[in-house]
Amino acid sequence: KQEVTQIPAALSVPEGENLVLNCSFTDSAIYNLQWFRQDPGKGLTSLLLIQSSQREQTSGRLNASLDKSSGRSTLYIAASQPGDSATYLCAVEAGTALIFGKGTTLSVSS
Amino acid sequence: DGGITQSPKYLFRKEGQNVTLSCEQNLNHDAMYWYRQDPGQGLRLIYYSQIVNDFQKGDIAEGYSVSREKKESFPLTVTSAQKNPTAFYLCASRPRLALFYNEQFFGPGTRLTVL
Repeated sequence: KQEVTQIPAALSVPEGENLVLNCSFTDSAIYNLQWFRQDPGKGLTSLLLIQSSQREQTSGRLNASLDKSSGRSTLYIAASQPGDSATYLCAVEAGTALIFGKGTTLSVSS
Repeated sequence: DGGITQSPKYLFRKEGQNVTLSCEQNLNHDAMYWYRQDPGQGLRLIYYSQIVNDFQKGDIAEGYSVSREKKESFPLTVTSAQKNPTAFYLCASRPRLALFYNEQFFGPGTRLTVL
């Protein structure tokens, strides 16, 4: 059974720092991997989707990588800002629907 | 504006009551999903539907029921058989073409509390 793990569970950084969020999954047979942002009490906003045949995707200050063989993905956030404070969830597409990690809660202080 | 709407935003239920959560989308998406989120947890799949008049159970379907009579609507009923229904419920959708390669779009969620 596919399991998705995100480390660390929480992260606090000062504004301007570059940071990396980690996601690992146990079964490499995935269609895609998606990174989401969730603000408190809100729905999910899709940040990046990486197809299984791709190695990375970029959007603005965000860069996500995928290594299927090792079962890992990273989300790199450059020059962090207080507005980046949120919970970041990764999810893998296993063929029925998405399987989610528990998320990393990021706090960026000014 | 295209998107997914969920109503109500907050819902309170007494013990033994059935309640229905609404999910509507105007994105012309075929596939729709219901997830449940508990504090500090990832989302878990309750039910999904890939086409009108058809739906499948997810990992935690016990105590829930759905219908898919229209493409744009996928209501979720939380029945009295669901022993611990207090949670945040999220609806999602995506196009059916190349289903597993498309991103899912999420609604704003409904927070259900049992009194």
